[in-house]
Amino acid sequence: EVQLVESGGGLVQPGRSLRLSCAASGFTFDEYAMHWVRQVPGKGLEWVSGISWNSDTIGHADSVKGRFTISRDNAKNSLYLQMNSLKAEDTALYYCAKVGGLGSYYNTDFDIWGQGTMVTVSS
Amino acid sequence: DIQMTQSPSSLSASVGDRVTITCRASQGINNYLAWFQQKPGKAPKSLIYAASSLRSGVPSKFSGSGSGTDFTLTITSLQPEDFATYYCQQYHSYPRTFGQGTKVEIK
Repeated sequence: EVQLVESGGGLVQPGRSLRLSCAASGFTFDEYAMHWVRQVPGKGLEWVSGISWNSDTIGHADSVKGRFTISRDNAKNSLYLQMNSLKAEDTALYYCAKVGGLGSYYNTDFDIWGQGTMVTVSS
Repeated sequence: DIQMTQSPSSLSASVGDRVTITCRASQGINNYLAWFQQKPGKAPKSLIYAASSLRSGVPSKFSGSGSGTDFTLTITSLQPEDFATYYCQQYHSYPRTFGQGTKVEIK
């Protein structure tokens, strides 16, 4: 069974850092691009970051550029999101998502989502 | 950035009804359009990709159509488990963008 399990969320003060992890299983992790998407409770979905299967191509939303860094460890079947200089507006449920197309970072949809990990930025 | 606009934002429907949700992109995205269903407290679930391709395991009561800038999601014979929020998303270019969501409620 394909599964994505996020962890690392919690309550953090503004300006501090947090690292999210996403553990993948049930598929060949190093063949797929991966993404992070967030959702403020009760609101819509916002793409945060994406990374190609080999980490050669990385993208971030303007709202997090320069503060967040996506990375992956294919040997550990894991995806990460390093979040620095956190702001109150970063408070959200963070999902990791697998793309549906083999090998491509471009023009591939999200077919599997994890259950999310909640990040709350507050003093 | 490509803006995705869904309509309506919410709708009330009865069990057995057929409902249609529309999604408009601010520029042409070919058929790089996906639809997701999200129930309260749950992660989004992929229903449709490439505008009209049904994700494996998704019942055929869900269908998608469109290309370019205008797309629709149709749900036939609405059942209690279909009451949820539905999102469209373009994957033509970065940043990936989503519609604001359409909440389908029981009348």
